[in-house]
Amino acid sequence: GEDVEQSLFLSVREGDSSVINCTYTDSSSTYLYWYKQEPGAGLQLLTYIFSNMDMKQDQRLTVLLNKKDKHLSLRIADTQTGDSAIYFCAEIPTGGFKTIFGAGTRLFVKA
Amino acid sequence: NAGVMQNPRHLVRRRGQEARLRCSPMKGHSHVYWYRQLPEEGLKFMVYLQKENIIDESGMPKERFSAEFPKEGPSILRIQQVVRGDSAAYFCASSPPVGTNTEAFFGQGTRLTVV
Repeated sequence: GEDVEQSLFLSVREGDSSVINCTYTDSSSTYLYWYKQEPGAGLQLLTYIFSNMDMKQDQRLTVLLNKKDKHLSLRIADTQTGDSAIYFCAEIPTGGFKTIFGAGTRLFVKA
Repeated sequence: NAGVMQNPRHLVRRRGQEARLRCSPMKGHSHVYWYRQLPEEGLKFMVYLQKENIIDESGMPKERFSAEFPKEGPSILRIQQVVRGDSAAYFCASSPPVGTNTEAFFGQGTRLTVV
């Protein structure tokens, strides 16, 4: 089946690292994505990772993929108040076209 | 190259009225997807269209909802006789015609409020 699960809330202090976790059920997924949604705004693609990779780093963002456990994480280094948003984990199963989204993790950054 | 354009950004309708949401895909994209985001939830797939064809509408409610993507012009998501439960953000995404597993680019969404 298709399902993506995330914890709903995360609160961190400014300057700390944030780690947002996600589990997915479709082991055939080729692409896994992280999107950011600020209040009242659309979706911004933050980063993505191919299933044949274990890690991808892009400035303050690090994505880790554990295919065996079907676990994906997004680490934001030096978290800033502007990082406060909802972060969605998403997958597109191999051979499919639908993007399957998690419910989103609401990140609160305290100054 | 403008991104995916959706309009209106905000739409208020009274119960029983019709809502028409428009989506212009990115230039060169011929695949369009509609998603619905209910309050405090993630996005749920509704329908996948190519020009003049509905490819998959497995996420569309059986009644009152329809979608089209004509040869010319934007894709339209139409909701007839709206009810309060239709209040949500509706997102459109588009992708180029290069097969599956291609990244979809999302619009800013239309926030529908039914009063």
